[in-house]
Amino acid sequence: DQQVKQNSPSLSVQEGRISILNCDYTNSMFDYFLWYKKYPAEGPTFLISISSIKDKNEDGRFTVFLNKSAKHLSLHIVPSQPGDSAVYFCAASGVQGAQKLVFGQGTRLTINP
Amino acid sequence: GAGVSQTPSNKVTEKGKYVELRCDPISGHTALYWYRQSLGQGPEFLIYFQGTGAADDSGLPNDRFFAVRPEGSVSTLKIQRTERGDSAVYLCASSYTGTPQETQYFGPGTRLLVL
Repeated sequence: DQQVKQNSPSLSVQEGRISILNCDYTNSMFDYFLWYKKYPAEGPTFLISISSIKDKNEDGRFTVFLNKSAKHLSLHIVPSQPGDSAVYFCAASGVQGAQKLVFGQGTRLTINP
Repeated sequence: GAGVSQTPSNKVTEKGKYVELRCDPISGHTALYWYRQSLGQGPEFLIYFQGTGAADDSGLPNDRFFAVRPEGSVSTLKIQRTERGDSAVYLCASSYTGTPQETQYFGPGTRLLVL
């Protein structure tokens, strides 16, 4: 069963506009959520995280929102830049204190000039 | 080095052969993780080491897969009797202490192709 889901395989956004990437999870025991960014032929790079005790975390152009009741999180990038074009993975951890990350399938973001 | 390194970057082998994939974590990181990423999917957890011991190997798909970390630094993932379905990118990550809510830093991966 897919415990973390990213239902949009791809997203195309105009440069300068807001990019919104979505992620849903099913296991209410997850207590920590992360977003990773991946360029071709490179490993995932950590972007931003949020603990389940918060509903928002901001770092520069990147903001993650967590809605625990809906088991939904989103990543907002504003303004979007061409260098943001990559695959974005949502991940979750914390079931029974486990350190392993459970990843979604990824969303390919393309920023158009 | 500054980041997690993995060797080889690419490995092509024949069905039934044995392969070893190596991971060098960030210096000083006690926790090390292996993940596998199949085409079009997100990374899937395989095994987690805390120091020299495997603290969680619940993601290893079967007994053909084995991993070691004898000195608490470098780790080797070993796959026996490879099958075509083992073709994937194998990712290694490390973190400082392995405590929950700690960032895991990933290497570039080893792309394994089983013919």
